Amino acid sequence: QLQLQESGPGLVKPSETLSLTCTFSGASISSSSYYWGWIRQPPGKGLEWIGNVYYSGSTYYNPSLKSRVTISLDTSRNEFSLNLTSVTAADTAVYYCARVDYGVNWYFDLWGRGTLVIVSS
Amino acid sequence: EIEMTQSPVTLSVSPGERATLSCRASQSVSSNLAWYQQKPGQAPRLLIYGASTRATGIPARFSGSGSGTEFTLTINSLRSEDFAVYYCQQYNRWPPLFTFGPGTKVDIK
Repeated sequence: QLQLQESGPGLVKPSETLSLTCTFSGASISSSSYYWGWIRQPPGKGLEWIGNVYYSGSTYYNPSLKSRVTISLDTSRNEFSLNLTSVTAADTAVYYCARVDYGVNWYFDLWGRGTLVIVSS
Repeated sequence: EIEMTQSPVTLSVSPGERATLSCRASQSVSSNLAWYQQKPGQAPRLLIYGASTRATGIPARFSGSGSGTEFTLTINSLRSEDFAVYYCQQYNRWPPLFTFGPGTKVDIK
């Protein structure tokens, strides 16, 4: 069964770096058929795409977050990671990792359950 | 940057009735649009991609239509498990950038 699972600290101090990892199980993350992405959702609000990474290491980021975001892939561990620097309370959200099916269409076809990250001192 | 809007914000529907949700893009996205369903405390679930193709395992009562800037998600014969928030999402072919709409909540009338 294919699964994505987010992990990382649930509490981060303002101005520090938020770091999360997403572990993929049931298949290899090295497939050329997919990208891997992060999406977040502030409490009670809508979804915001953060960025994607390809197995080759190529990355694409939301322009509004690009200066603070790094997404990387570790094929040996079958996981990918998110780093978001200089966080503020506005970065408090449930963070989801997801698989991106691409080709003629691009969409998030497999999601993790999400992890809540609170930014507070 | 392409902006997405959805209407209405909330749609109250009785079980067994039809729900029609709208999504509009600020400029043409061709058929590069997906729909997701999200229930409280859960991750979103892919319903429709390519504006009108149902994802694997999605019941036929869900259908998508539209192209360019105007899109519709129709849910026929609403069931109790369909009451949720629905998001549209557009994607730029290249570079691959994504934008979600603000969502429409479908609740019980």
